[in-house]
Amino acid sequence: GAVVSQHPSWVICKSGTSVKIECRSLDFQATTMFWYRQFPKQSLMLMATSNEGSKATYEQGVEKDKFLINHASLTLSTLTVTSAHPEDSSFYICSARVEGYGYTFGSGTRLTVV
Amino acid sequence: GQQLNQSPQSMFIQEGEDVSMNCTSSSIFNTWLWYKQDPGEGPVLLIALYKAGELTSNGRLTAQFGITRKDSFLNISASIPSDVGIYFCAGVYGGSQGNLIFGKGTKLSVKP
Repeated sequence: GAVVSQHPSWVICKSGTSVKIECRSLDFQATTMFWYRQFPKQSLMLMATSNEGSKATYEQGVEKDKFLINHASLTLSTLTVTSAHPEDSSFYICSARVEGYGYTFGSGTRLTVV
Repeated sequence: GQQLNQSPQSMFIQEGEDVSMNCTSSSIFNTWLWYKQDPGEGPVLLIALYKAGELTSNGRLTAQFGITRKDSFLNISASIPSDVGIYFCAGVYGGSQGNLIFGKGTKLSVKP
């Protein structure tokens, strides 16, 4: 139980285009989801907290207009990287807090902007 | 802000050896979690610790939540090649809607 499905697992896009990453909770309802970014050989850094039906809360230094988060249902949160640039290339991971279990993570999305 | 100091940064061990890694902080956390991450994958939960002083095992893995709620260790006994990966500690802060903060990770390499 407590599975979060993240898609796509990898994506290559041209500079200036937008990319959408989806995270779905398969067997539970996720009121809150978290979006992380991980650079090579580094730890996970929290970007934003996504709340169903309300605006996301962004961490300091994260551009909310560039990283658009939508959490329209209890089972789906999306992260859209708008006008992507090579420096946005990274590994993006979503997570959900599951009562009585802890935090479960998606399998991640490797974004490469060329 | 909260910070987790995880050590060692990397370990190179022989198959069959025991492994120990730890995390410390100057802040108090409600919950400590230990995750393993394989290349190109998201972290997978290994052990969750909720009470100060709690000692929990999961197969060959054992973790303890420090009595002060500021530290935790993870031990792996009789390591095997599939133990290779990056291990992260994570602390939960901020009450019932708490967020996670991660340590910098310990990269484990196991020589057959």
